[in-house]
Amino acid sequence: EDQVTQSPEALRLQEGESSSLNCSYTVSGLRGLFWYRQDPGKGPEFLFTLYSAGEEKEKERLKATLTKKESFLHITAPKPEDSATYLCAALSGGGADGLTFGKGTHLIIQP
Amino acid sequence: DSGVTQTPKHLITATGQRVTLRCSPRSGDLSVYWYQQSLDQGLQFLIQYYNGEERAKGNILERFSAQQFPDLHSELNLSSLELGDSALYFCASSARGGTIGNPFFGPGTRLTVL
Repeated sequence: EDQVTQSPEALRLQEGESSSLNCSYTVSGLRGLFWYRQDPGKGPEFLFTLYSAGEEKEKERLKATLTKKESFLHITAPKPEDSATYLCAALSGGGADGLTFGKGTHLIIQP
Repeated sequence: DSGVTQTPKHLITATGQRVTLRCSPRSGDLSVYWYQQSLDQGLQFLIQYYNGEERAKGNILERFSAQQFPDLHSELNLSSLELGDSALYFCASSARGGTIGNPFFGPGTRLTVL
């Protein structure tokens, strides 16, 4: 069974304090690793897709990386508006296109 | 704005009732996915339709069903509702031109079963 585990569950940082969120996955034949941002009561907002180990993608203060067992979302010099829940999801090679999501990391950036 | 629309935004109903949630995908997207998000389970994949045909099933209960219409909009039907069905229901779309692409999510429908 495909599994995605995110850590930590919650993270509180000071504005400007860089950190990383972890996403460990166990899927058969990874076809893609997705990162989303979700604000309370809203739909997940697409951030990145990574397809193979060693791949990196960046967007503003966020950088996502992928290894064969995990992915990291690095947040550099975060601002209060980066506060949100960050979700990681894996697409397996089983044929179905449904994503398996982790439970997310709730990130709070304090000014 | 992801381009995916969902109606209604909120729905309050009673146990045993039936409701229909509606989703319009982004222009050109052929795949529609339905997900359920509850506090304890997180986001769970329910079902996928591709160009009008059922493509894959996830953790969807037998009381739930979906369909995708010729104009590609989709409906999720929930029947014999129970208290535990209270959740956020999201629709996502992807697959322009037949490629899997990146699923973009709608704003969701919040279902409350009393």
